[in-house]
Amino acid sequence: EIVMTQSPATLSVSPGERATLSCRASQSVSSNLAWYQQKPGQAPRLLIYGATNRATGIPARFSGSGSGTEFTLSISSLQSEDFAVYYCQQYNKWPSLTFGGGTKVELK
Amino acid sequence: EVQLVESGGGLVQPGRSLRLSCAASGFTFHNYAMHWVRQAPGKGLEWVSGINWNGVSIGYADSVKGRFTISRDNAKNSLYLQMNSLRAEDTALYYCAKDWAQGNHLDSWGHGTLVTVSS
Repeated sequence: EIVMTQSPATLSVSPGERATLSCRASQSVSSNLAWYQQKPGQAPRLLIYGATNRATGIPARFSGSGSGTEFTLSISSLQSEDFAVYYCQQYNKWPSLTFGGGTKVELK
Repeated sequence: EVQLVESGGGLVQPGRSLRLSCAASGFTFHNYAMHWVRQAPGKGLEWVSGINWNGVSIGYADSVKGRFTISRDNAKNSLYLQMNSLRAEDTALYYCAKDWAQGNHLDSWGHGTLVTVSS
């Protein structure tokens, strides 16, 4: 099983600042990596797929980078609606998917 | 618009069974793989099981293998999860999720159905 490790567990950021979230895979997943945003009481929402591609309707301030085992989600200028939990997920080995433990982005 | 509506959750005693359903609409159901993902209270997301478009290729998380069975009925645009020998640690909100294609990212999610395993 591919293990996904996210860091940090919690990130305290002020509005307007940049946030950088990390995700590491225990083995290469190529670019088969997605990022999701989840707000309290809501289902997860797809942000990024293929490591770097924004999903439909996702603002340009969200960007993804990386390949292989190291990935990053960046939020260039945090807005109030961006405070949430973010998960990475690999899909390199069908039919097995795995999620990281999540990073909570909170107001500093 | 893609809609996924889960049902079948509830309170169940340890060792008993429960069957979850997911009704899909707004897309050509038989063209896509589908998944179940769960989230225990206050915890992160855990992939539970996935099934390809025709039900031939199926996978399970180690935590549910041998106890849970995923299936689909393309004629009814429905996804199912049969959960047997339930344990307290299976308590979670269970989401139905649509795969972008076949073994890919999850581009649409339902709102979830809550399963509580307790005596």
